[in-house]
Amino acid sequence: DVELVESGGDLVQSGGSLRLSCVASGVFFGSHSMNWVRQAPGKGLEWISYISNSGSTIYYADSVKGRFTISRDNAKNSLYLQMNSLTDEDTAVYFCARISGSYYLYYWGQGTQVTVSS
Amino acid sequence: QPVLTQPPSASASLGDSVTLTCTLSSDYSNYKVDWYQQRPGKGPRFVMRVGTGGIVGSKGDGIPDRFSVLGSGLNRYLTIKNVQEEDESDYHCGADYGSENNLVVFGGGTKLSVL
Repeated sequence: DVELVESGGDLVQSGGSLRLSCVASGVFFGSHSMNWVRQAPGKGLEWISYISNSGSTIYYADSVKGRFTISRDNAKNSLYLQMNSLTDEDTAVYFCARISGSYYLYYWGQGTQVTVSS
Repeated sequence: QPVLTQPPSASASLGDSVTLTCTLSSDYSNYKVDWYQQRPGKGPRFVMRVGTGGIVGSKGDGIPDRFSVLGSGLNRYLTIKNVQEEDESDYHCGADYGSENNLVVFGGGTKLSVL
């Protein structure tokens, strides 16, 4: 079974920074692309970033481009999201999600809460 | 980019059937949609993909046979037969748009209440 566990969420002041982590269980983490998706309170899901299996291809949603940085360490089975210049609009539960075949978002973690206070 | 529209809420009595709808904006009638189930306090779970011809590929891991999909025109449907208490969840639809700044587009989600 594939298990994804996010961590690093916290209460942070507006303008601050935070680094989220996602650890994947099992082998072959380095074979799969990964994504970050967030869900603001009472809202739907929002895709925010993608990284290919090698890390050579990276995409961002306009809402986070220039402020967030996605990265991965395949030796540690880990995915990261460095978040800078946070605003209250970044308050959300952040999920990591793994690709499977033609499905970008097949396996999901349980999420980690980020709250930005102004 | 496509806009996906979902009713905010739906309800069904225990043992009944319910159909949830995801409507694509015009010009995107050929798009496939993925359905996700999100139980309270949990991460989403992939249910299955649907196009105008019905299910595309296989159901997600552990998805019961009670769940099925259909597609027609701009609408993508998820039907749950013999609704159970554990089906009470938020159901999200999403479509692969494939743009570097908008890889996947989601609807607003439908909260299914089991009465």
